[in-house]
Amino acid sequence: NAGVMQNPRHLVRRRGQEARLRCSPMKGHSHVYWYRQLPEEGLKFMVYLQKENIIDESGMPKERFSAEFPKEGPSILRIQQVVRGDSAAYFCASSSGDRPTDTQYFGPGTRLTVL
Amino acid sequence: AQSVTQLGSHVSVSEGALVLLRCNYSSSVPPYLFWYVQYPNQGLQLLLKYTSAATLVKGINGFEAEFKKSETSFHLTKPSAHMSDAAEYFCAVTSGAGSYQLTFGKGTKLSVIP
Repeated sequence: NAGVMQNPRHLVRRRGQEARLRCSPMKGHSHVYWYRQLPEEGLKFMVYLQKENIIDESGMPKERFSAEFPKEGPSILRIQQVVRGDSAAYFCASSSGDRPTDTQYFGPGTRLTVL
Repeated sequence: AQSVTQLGSHVSVSEGALVLLRCNYSSSVPPYLFWYVQYPNQGLQLLLKYTSAATLVKGINGFEAEFKKSETSFHLTKPSAHMSDAAEYFCAVTSGAGSYQLTFGKGTKLSVIP
């Protein structure tokens, strides 16, 4: 039973380019969350999605960042016109429900480096 | 608003010694509390969680944590450290509306000295 899959594991972009991060949730999970981890910091919530719906994007930067979870395929976190400050580890988690008792299972993360 | 404070960004213990990682939380409503472990270049793995049942929670790999409301604490302990316990540990809290949003502490890196 595969866990949460993320790809790529490492991504290098130059300033101004676009970054696309992919997340496939655990089988049977329809709730997906994205978190960002800056160096020496804990994870910060970005966005919560269900299939074809953004439920809560209160943690997303207002510009350049977007997320989707289409009916078919993985969830995508897209960062347009990347800047050095976007360098971080981006983690995806999935769960079977959105109650606190529904454990969020995390993927291995995508480490984005912006040159 | 909720927050988590982890005291000590780095903790070193000898192999076989007691592990104690501290976590204090702030929440205006009854919280749910979690400890996750992160090994280098890997994702977070849930160690244990408190969801308002027993205040002493047992987790995987011999870890346990006790919820103390009066102290607003949820410290993680293990009686005897093993080399494989070396990792970074994160405490997280969620509560109330939007309870799917985990709020994490900054983490504590545990080193185990042979």
